[in-house]
Amino acid sequence: SAVISQKPSRDICQRGTSLTIQCQVDSQVTMMFWYRQQPGQSLTLIATANQGSEATYESGFVIDKFPISRPNLTFSTLTVSNLSPEDSSIYLCSAGRAGGSYNEQFFGPGTRLTVL
Amino acid sequence: ILNVEQSPQSLHVQEGDSTNFTCSFPSSNFYALHWYRWETAKSPEALFVMTLNGDEKKKGRISATLNTKEGYSYLYIKGSQPEDSATYLCAFGGATNKLIFGTGTLLAVQP
Repeated sequence: SAVISQKPSRDICQRGTSLTIQCQVDSQVTMMFWYRQQPGQSLTLIATANQGSEATYESGFVIDKFPISRPNLTFSTLTVSNLSPEDSSIYLCSAGRAGGSYNEQFFGPGTRLTVL
Repeated sequence: ILNVEQSPQSLHVQEGDSTNFTCSFPSSNFYALHWYRWETAKSPEALFVMTLNGDEKKKGRISATLNTKEGYSYLYIKGSQPEDSATYLCAFGGATNKLIFGTGTLLAVQP
């Protein structure tokens, strides 16, 4: 398994600003992912964070709005840019090892974002 | 578009009751079915990874079954306790490394 920490745990931001969320894993992992859970919705994959290269975004998510960095195998950041109230969600990062235990993923505790 | 559906959306039970929830998923290109428990302000905790049709897994009072041919899984909790209160998520894993989640079942166990 892997222990994953995220910060901040929560934040309240003004419309038009940006928030950067950090995710730290306690061991080297192959895969890191960023998810969003909007109120009443399922956990939705935003992107796969690739070490040393651009993230792979899912349909409906773009780099300009959700820039992601992954400088090494244990750390990643997600920025939510030009915030609007619709971005109010819980953002989670997860990690796993490619092909390991049927692609099991381990999750951070999430960042609860409220946009005013 | 792959759909993973969970029911019921929420459930209120009394301490000591047994309960179960359903997860339905695409029956094609199946690789694994994951169950997680997510308590407020904590990390989603992996409960089970299920891969074979007919699989049954158990952890304490919680168990799960899998039917890949018809595309459903059941999660059972025997003798619910207040500490079982959480959102229970299932996730479908196909041939890629990605997981597709259902919306979850919110369980509230009243003492």
